Amino acid sequence: QSVLTQPPSASGTPGQRLTISCSGGSSNIGSNSGNWYQVIPGTAPKILIYSNNRRPSGVPDRFSGSKSGTSASLAISGLQSEDEADYYCAAWDDSLNGVIFGGGTKVTVL
Amino acid sequence: QVQLQESGPGLVRPSQTLSLSCTVSDDSISSGTYYWSWVRQHPGKGLEWIGYIYYSGSTFYNPSLKSRVSLSVDTSKNQFSLKLASVTAADTAVYFCARQRWHVAWLDHWGQGTLVTVSS
Repeated sequence: QSVLTQPPSASGTPGQRLTISCSGGSSNIGSNSGNWYQVIPGTAPKILIYSNNRRPSGVPDRFSGSKSGTSASLAISGLQSEDEADYYCAAWDDSLNGVIFGGGTKVTVL
Repeated sequence: QVQLQESGPGLVRPSQTLSLSCTVSDDSISSGTYYWSWVRQHPGKGLEWIGYIYYSGSTFYNPSLKSRVSLSVDTSKNQFSLKLASVTAADTAVYFCARQRWHVAWLDHWGQGTLVTVSS
């Protein structure tokens, strides 16, 4: 069981806005930044959001991140079929002294 | 553009040691700017951080794997390596190497991953 809790699945229609939550604790998201990864099966994970709300160059601005207390969120606005993938939140955990990932959320575009 | 490439056997026998290497291109491990990580993904499951190493040899390991994991670095080859001892079928996974910032979960460049199957 992951220390970071995500919904196992989420879905939406093209053009919709989708939000994925990531619930953590005081030793991880509460005291460190939230990060988000997109994983398309068979490919390497791709960083989407780092430091809570920053996008690496090349990541579309339809992806945005936020953090409040011990939770982080990823929003996808203007959902597109190519956004079908698994999304993982991640944070450094001060108690474990390492990186922890959420269990992942499978996004389906209907 | 930084590139990382994993290499090593795709099949390991139970109780043996899994050994993988990661070769880094277009960045120098010795620069000291980043840490160098291993992450695995069990079939159909989520991501699991294994640990990371600094160019000096300083390491941080996932506590759940710490007793079996060893990371090393060869700056002359711009490579870093993973050894996982006493493997079982539960260690069957895709293993990724990645570049990471210190003490944050920001892994910005990844290798393509290599499937390691533990089976007799």
